Amino acid sequence: EAGVVQSPRYKIIEKKQPVAFWCNPISGHNTLYWYRQNLGQGPELLIRYENEEAVDDSQLPKDRFSAERLKGVDSTLKIQPAELGDSAVYLCASSLRGEHSYEQYFGPGTRLTVT
Amino acid sequence: GNSVTQMEGPVTLSEEAFLTINCTYTATGYPSLFWYVQYPGEGLQLLLKATKADDKGSNKGFEATYRKETTSFHLEKGSVQVSDSAVYFCALSDRGNAGNMLTFGGGTRLMVKP
Repeated sequence: EAGVVQSPRYKIIEKKQPVAFWCNPISGHNTLYWYRQNLGQGPELLIRYENEEAVDDSQLPKDRFSAERLKGVDSTLKIQPAELGDSAVYLCASSLRGEHSYEQYFGPGTRLTVT
Repeated sequence: GNSVTQMEGPVTLSEEAFLTINCTYTATGYPSLFWYVQYPGEGLQLLLKATKADDKGSNKGFEATYRKETTSFHLEKGSVQVSDSAVYFCALSDRGNAGNMLTFGGGTRLMVKP
């Protein structure tokens, strides 16, 4: 079974430029998460989707960050414009609903460097 | 709110040594507890879990017991290997109002020397 796929794996951009990250969850997983992991810290949730609906985006900086999950499968996270403080690893995860919904499967992440 | 505190690393051990990584938590509800592992260049992987008090999660020789009285979920392994070198994250999921949101600790890097 294929795991969570993310691309690109690495991205280097200058500040004020836009950037987008893509995630393909495990087939059949209704719930999709985007996390940000700063260097030396644990992941922090940015947004959670149930199918195509964003059900928890309270930690998403909405002035510059946006996300979408069209058709309830793939998802894109965008930053525009990027700031130096956005340098981090952006992780996507997915899970089933129901009894095992708390077991999240993570992708390898996209390491963003803003210069 | 919910929070997870784990011992700072790095933890450096020789092969076959005993490992303990401490983890304590604060939760408003009745959480499930997890240990995730992150190998170099890879995503986080679920290592083990416990969903209620006194449950013991185990996998690949690692164990952790859900201690409600001390709000702890310490990770242990009797004999570590070089291949166990990774970053370990303790996490909780509050099945209450937070839905399925995971709250992570800061991570503990383990380095095992041959």
